[in-house]
Amino acid sequence: NAGVMQNPRHLVRRRGQEARLRCSPMKGHSHVYWYRQLPEEGLKFMVYLQKENIIDESGMPKERFSAEFPKEGPSILRIQQVVRGDSAAYFCASSPPVRIQETQYFGPGTRLLVL
Amino acid sequence: DQQVKQNSPSLSVQEGRISILNCDYTNSMFDYFLWYKKYPAEGPTFLISISSIKDKNEDGRFTVFLNKSAKHLSLHIVPSQPGDSAVYFCAANPLGNEKLTFGTGTRLTIIP
Repeated sequence: NAGVMQNPRHLVRRRGQEARLRCSPMKGHSHVYWYRQLPEEGLKFMVYLQKENIIDESGMPKERFSAEFPKEGPSILRIQQVVRGDSAAYFCASSPPVRIQETQYFGPGTRLLVL
Repeated sequence: DQQVKQNSPSLSVQEGRISILNCDYTNSMFDYFLWYKKYPAEGPTFLISISSIKDKNEDGRFTVFLNKSAKHLSLHIVPSQPGDSAVYFCAANPLGNEKLTFGTGTRLTIIP
């Protein structure tokens, strides 16, 4: 039973380019969450998605960032026109359908470096 | 506004002894609390959780204690093993809101 998969594990972009980060949830999980960790900080919530729906995007920067979780395929976090401040580790987590409280299980992360 | 605080950035403990990691929170709406362990260049690994209706939850060498009146929780690891050396994050979320709020982490080093 594979865990949460993320690719690429490392991504280098120059300023102004686009970054696409992919996340495949655990089998049986229909909820996906994206978090960002800046150096020496804790993880910060960005967005919560279910299939074809954004449930909570209160942590997403207003510009350049978008996320989707299509009916088929992985969830995508897209960062347009990257800047140096976007350099961070981006973690995806997944959970089964929420009843009361559900534990989120994390993938290995994508480390984005903007030159 | 740091709603979840881990005031000790680092902790060193002798192998075989008890490790106690602390976490304080300010949001009284938090209802579910989790501890994650993280090795460098990996994602956080879920360790143990506790709901606000309980004050203790135990799983093998790991026990989490919740003191709601003090808005404080702690993770006890006993006995501590070298493989426990990692960064430990406390996280919390309110009932009905899946957005986890994380602390800044405590780096635990187990000394052989």
